[in-house]
Amino acid sequence: QKEVEQNSGPLSVPEGAIASLNCTYSDRVSQSFFWYRQYSGKSPELIMSIYSNGDKEDGRFTAQLNKASQYVSLLIRDSQPSDSATYLCAVIDTGGGNKLTFGTGTQLKVEL
Amino acid sequence: GAGVSQSPRYKVAKRGQDVALRCDPISGHVSLFWYQQALGQGPEFLTYFQNEAQLDKSGLPSDRFFAERPEGSVSTLKIQRTQQEDSAVYLCASSLAAGGSYGYTFGSGTRLTVV
Repeated sequence: QKEVEQNSGPLSVPEGAIASLNCTYSDRVSQSFFWYRQYSGKSPELIMSIYSNGDKEDGRFTAQLNKASQYVSLLIRDSQPSDSATYLCAVIDTGGGNKLTFGTGTQLKVEL
Repeated sequence: GAGVSQSPRYKVAKRGQDVALRCDPISGHVSLFWYQQALGQGPEFLTYFQNEAQLDKSGLPSDRFFAERPEGSVSTLKIQRTQQEDSAVYLCASSLAAGGSYGYTFGSGTRLTVV
């Protein structure tokens, strides 16, 4: 069973809309959660980290964490075509020391 | 350097050939990770170094894969007798802190194609 689950998409949203990306994880004791953005042919880029329940906002990005539901999400407000990329959810593997476990990623397409 | 540097950027190997992939982390970064990313998948963990010590190699898929970081800076991932299933992008990442609890910075990757 995959430890981090994401819908592969593609998720299509119009320019200016809110994009909502979701992720569930199986390890109840996970403490650290990350969202990476990966453009086609490029390496992943860290855009958000969240460690406690609730919301964390950074510019147009908001990460939301619900540990009871084992759910983490990323909201992108005022979506732009430049936001079109694959968004990877990652969780620190508490049973495996320091490594990040990634989901397969959700492809986001922001349409003009 | 300013970022994590990986070389070569692209590598084509004939099946059975040995390859060596280099990672030059951000100066002073203690932690170094290697990941493998197949097409359409998320990165999969291979191995982790804290300085020169290889603390976790549980993700290495077979004994054909070997990694080292002898002086606690540059790291090399070596794949012996390459197979077609080894074709992937190999990503190196580094972190200032011990472990990756605060996330880490990836290099541009090496795209390995085994023919």
